[in-house]
Amino acid sequence: DAGVTQSPTHLIKTRGQQVTLRCSPKSGHDTVSWYQQALGQGPQFIFQYYEEEERQRGNFPDRFSGHQFPNYSSELNVNALLLGDSALYLCASSPFRLATYNEQFFGPGTRLTVL
Amino acid sequence: LAKTTQPISMDSYEGQEVNITCSHNNIATNDYITWYQQFPSQGPRFIIQGYKTKVTNEVASLFIPADRKSSTLSLPRVSLSDTAVYYCLVGATGANNLFFGTGTRLTVIP
Repeated sequence: DAGVTQSPTHLIKTRGQQVTLRCSPKSGHDTVSWYQQALGQGPQFIFQYYEEEERQRGNFPDRFSGHQFPNYSSELNVNALLLGDSALYLCASSPFRLATYNEQFFGPGTRLTVL
Repeated sequence: LAKTTQPISMDSYEGQEVNITCSHNNIATNDYITWYQQFPSQGPRFIIQGYKTKVTNEVASLFIPADRKSSTLSLPRVSLSDTAVYYCLVGATGANNLFFGTGTRLTVIP
């Protein structure tokens, strides 16, 4: 059973460019959340997708957008890249109804470097 | 979401028991306490979750006093492979926007 997968592993972009990151959730999971983790910091929640709609959003500008496909996979898009967008981008999946556990399954992340 | 406070770093020798304490003074009645572990260049991994008293699984124990304003993650007999960052999170179950602080960087020394 494959866990959460993300692509690409690493990415280098320049300021002003646009980037798309991809995520496939763990089998059986229908909810995908995205997090940004700057060096030395904990992950920060960007947004969550369920039933192809954005359900919750953290404190990120609308340069950050996403999409969820019918097969539950998801994309994170960042426009007009800034140097401060350099970070590890993590995707996490879970069943929509988490029941009694706050357990999300995280992928290995995509390391984005903006020059 | 309740804010949490943890030590920035801890060192321990191999084979020792490690206790990491987390403070969450404004925890709400319906909040649970959850701990995640993160190795370098990997995503966080769920360790344990509890509401009150004590919870134990094959990896760790979680101790929560009656007032629930703090909690302690206990790792028995740590090994070098337990070197990681440990995050304490507080929130209601089903809260899909997990809030991570800066965590505690545990270094296990041979």
